[in-house]
Amino acid sequence: SQQGEEDPQALSIQEGENATMNCSYKTSINNLQWYRQNSGRGLVHLILIRSNEREKHSGRLRVTLDTSKKSSSLLITASRAADTASYFCATDAGFQKLVFGTGTRLLVSP
Amino acid sequence: EADIYQTPRYLVIGTGKKITLECSQTMGHDKMYWYQQDPGMELHLIHYSYGVNSTEKGDLSSESTVSRIRTEHFPLTLESARPSHTSQYLCASSEFTGGAETQYFGPGTRLLVL
Repeated sequence: SQQGEEDPQALSIQEGENATMNCSYKTSINNLQWYRQNSGRGLVHLILIRSNEREKHSGRLRVTLDTSKKSSSLLITASRAADTASYFCATDAGFQKLVFGTGTRLLVSP
Repeated sequence: EADIYQTPRYLVIGTGKKITLECSQTMGHDKMYWYQQDPGMELHLIHYSYGVNSTEKGDLSSESTVSRIRTEHFPLTLESARPSHTSQYLCASSEFTGGAETQYFGPGTRLLVL
């Protein structure tokens, strides 16, 4: 079964609002990553947070990691229509391959 | 933009045909992957490679095969396409930086088998 499960499955917001999506996983990890996928395209790496980190920022992105709850969240602040995409978490448990979550589909309306 | 390329981008083909999906990367990455993904759904790992002459099956059983004769090239072949193979196929390569692996994806091939 997938290591990462994300919720919500889909999220619809207005431009300017914040978007929060969550990822839960099952086993201990070395790091957790978030990727974005625009419709019909490949995935693009957004941000990586290591198991000894609790929070990380990159531009309008903020990622948190709670290893005790085995969960992570991705916050996109002041969202734009161009943020419309699917977002996937991926966990690195040290087995030499990433395991991707089920994804959250984000729709940002103008 | 990652230097990883997939051809064709779209392919419509009849049942029983043999097809090869091409993937190449110019980043010199040793590890490469093939994923199968239905639109908007989760990714399923079908094959991966640690380097030249290395190929491994992924988590999802697949009737496809792969080869890795050159570092930059990781083609996927379906000997006899069936409608159940209709999907999007994503190729990726990865690098290790600071002890962490990051994957770079190609644009994907959308396959429709009639």
